[in-house]
Amino acid sequence: AQKVTQAQTEISVVEKEDVTLDCVYETRDTTYYLFWYKQPPSGELVFLIRRNSFDEQNEISGRYSWNFQKSTSSFNFTITASQVVDSAVYFCALGSRGTPLVFGKGTRLSVIA
Amino acid sequence: DADVTQTPRNRITKTGKRIMLECSQTKGHDRMYWYRQDPGLGLRLIYYSFDVKDINKGEISDGYSVSRQAQAKFSLSLESAIPNQTALYFCATSAAGSSGNTIYFGEGSWLTVV
Repeated sequence: AQKVTQAQTEISVVEKEDVTLDCVYETRDTTYYLFWYKQPPSGELVFLIRRNSFDEQNEISGRYSWNFQKSTSSFNFTITASQVVDSAVYFCALGSRGTPLVFGKGTRLSVIA
Repeated sequence: DADVTQTPRNRITKTGKRIMLECSQTKGHDRMYWYRQDPGLGLRLIYYSFDVKDINKGEISDGYSVSRQAQAKFSLSLESAIPNQTALYFCATSAAGSSGNTIYFGEGSWLTVV
């Protein structure tokens, strides 16, 4: 069975601090996909990134970066110089071809001005 | 307009009542899903459908049923609502094939069972 663990339930940081959200996954599939979604206070779920299991390159998008390490089954998400607008619940998810996504329980990030 | 539209967005209903949540999409995706979100439990899959003739149970299907009326429409029913079905419900869609499993969510439907 596939499983996603987000051990950090809540994180609080002061604006401009860097913060890393952890995600650890379990799967027996050799081909799989990892995702991060953001849920701001307004409630919608926003897709942030998708990563294939055969592509371990890290990715940077503005202040966001993602570190994918198959050796530790982790797909961590770092926000650099956090801003109040980053306050949200962040979900990590795992899927394989032909199967629905399995989500972690989410990490609530609060960025304090 | 949203690509994935859920109605109603908010509903308060009484225990024992039947309620339907509807979802329609304009993304042209074959696959549709219903997830439920509860505080501290993340998103859990209720049902999913990979095409019009395909319906599959998810992790927490008990107490729910679905209907895939068309490629673009996927409705979720609570036949006899109970208070622990109070939650935020999301419909989602994804394309099949090379685009992988990226799913796109509707705005969510808040359901309160009193």
